[in-house]
Amino acid sequence: NAGVMQNPRHLVRRRGQEARLRCSPMKGHSHVYWYRQLPEEGLKFMVYLQKENIIDESGMPKERFSAEFPKEGPSILRIQQVVRGDSAAYFCASSPSRDGTEAFFGQGTRLTVV
Amino acid sequence: DQQVKQNSPSLSVQEGRISILNCDYTNSMFDYFLWYKKYPAEGPTFLISISSIKDKNEDGRFTVFLNKSAKHLSLHIVPSQPGDSAVYFCAASASSGTYKYIFGTGTRLKVLA
Repeated sequence: NAGVMQNPRHLVRRRGQEARLRCSPMKGHSHVYWYRQLPEEGLKFMVYLQKENIIDESGMPKERFSAEFPKEGPSILRIQQVVRGDSAAYFCASSPSRDGTEAFFGQGTRLTVV
Repeated sequence: DQQVKQNSPSLSVQEGRISILNCDYTNSMFDYFLWYKKYPAEGPTFLISISSIKDKNEDGRFTVFLNKSAKHLSLHIVPSQPGDSAVYFCAASASSGTYKYIFGTGTRLKVLA
């Protein structure tokens, strides 16, 4: 049973380009969460998705950021027109339910904006 | 506003001794707490959790204590091993949104051989 898979592990983008981060949850998990970790900070919740639905995007910046979890395929976190401040580690987690059981994290995507 | 605080950014402990990592929170609505361990270039790995109906939870070498009145929890690792060297994150959630973990900034534990 593979864990949460994120790709790419490292992504370098120039300012103004788009970044697409992918996350495949663990088998049997239909709840996906995205977190961002800025340097020297803890992980911060961004968005919670179930298949084809955004449940809570209260932690996501209002502009340039979007997320989806289609019926088929991985969850995608999309950042348009990236800026230097977007440089961070982005972690995806999945769980089988939303009742408070622990979420399993992927290895993260480290985004560097140059 | 940092709702979950880990005031010690780093901690060094001798192998075989006890490691105590502390975490304070401000939101009285939090009722579920977790500890995650993170190695460099990897994602956080779940370690142990505790709900607010308990004041202690134990799993092998790891014990988490919860003091609700003080809004404080701690993770005890005994005996500490070099492989425990990692960054430890405390996280909390409220039953109204159990998926939304609020993480502390982490404590880097170094266990010296």
